[in-house]
Amino acid sequence: DAGVTQSPTHLIKTRGQHVTLRCSPISGHKSVSWYQQVLGQGPQFIFQYYEKEERGRGNFPDRFSARQFPNYSSELNVNALLLGDSALYLCASSLTGNSPLHFGNGTRLTVT
Amino acid sequence: AQKITQTQPGMFVQEKEAVTLDCTYDTSDPSYGLFWYKQPSSGEMIFLIYQGSYDQQNATEGRYSLNFQKARKSANLVISASQLGDSAMYFCAMRGGNTGKLIFGQGTTLQVKP
Repeated sequence: DAGVTQSPTHLIKTRGQHVTLRCSPISGHKSVSWYQQVLGQGPQFIFQYYEKEERGRGNFPDRFSARQFPNYSSELNVNALLLGDSALYLCASSLTGNSPLHFGNGTRLTVT
Repeated sequence: AQKITQTQPGMFVQEKEAVTLDCTYDTSDPSYGLFWYKQPSSGEMIFLIYQGSYDQQNATEGRYSLNFQKARKSANLVISASQLGDSAMYFCAMRGGNTGKLIFGQGTTLQVKP
């Protein structure tokens, strides 16, 4: 079975632009979460979706938004990019909202 | 507030020896879960082991075991018979209550020497 897949793997954007990151969960997993990992730190929780509904939101500005589709895939959108948004964005899926998380390889975003 | 603390920024271990990575946590939730993840330089977070707060026995998964001391609020990861491929960043994480949100520590970089 395929693991969690994220696209693109790398992305370079300019300040002020917007970006869309995509995630496909493991087949059968209904929960998707997004995390931001700045270099040298642990991942920080951004969003969790379960059955297409937002179940949790971390301490991130409204420039960050997400959604989950009927097939349980998900998109993370970031508007008005700042240099500080440069990070590895990790998507994780789980069978239920409380099952262990299985992470994808991440999307490395660089904002210049 | 929930918090995870990993006090060892970097660790070295000789190949084939055992190593313990420290993790302490703080939470007021009576029900919580503790996780360890491995992150190689490629970036993927690999799930290693899970310990529930009500589990009576320490979790084990192959060469990985979790030394869970609830009263001390510690959840140390023990890797036995270290291999060169174990060189990576290791994160301790906690999930509390009914949320799916994971709180991660700062991580420990482990280097296995041949």
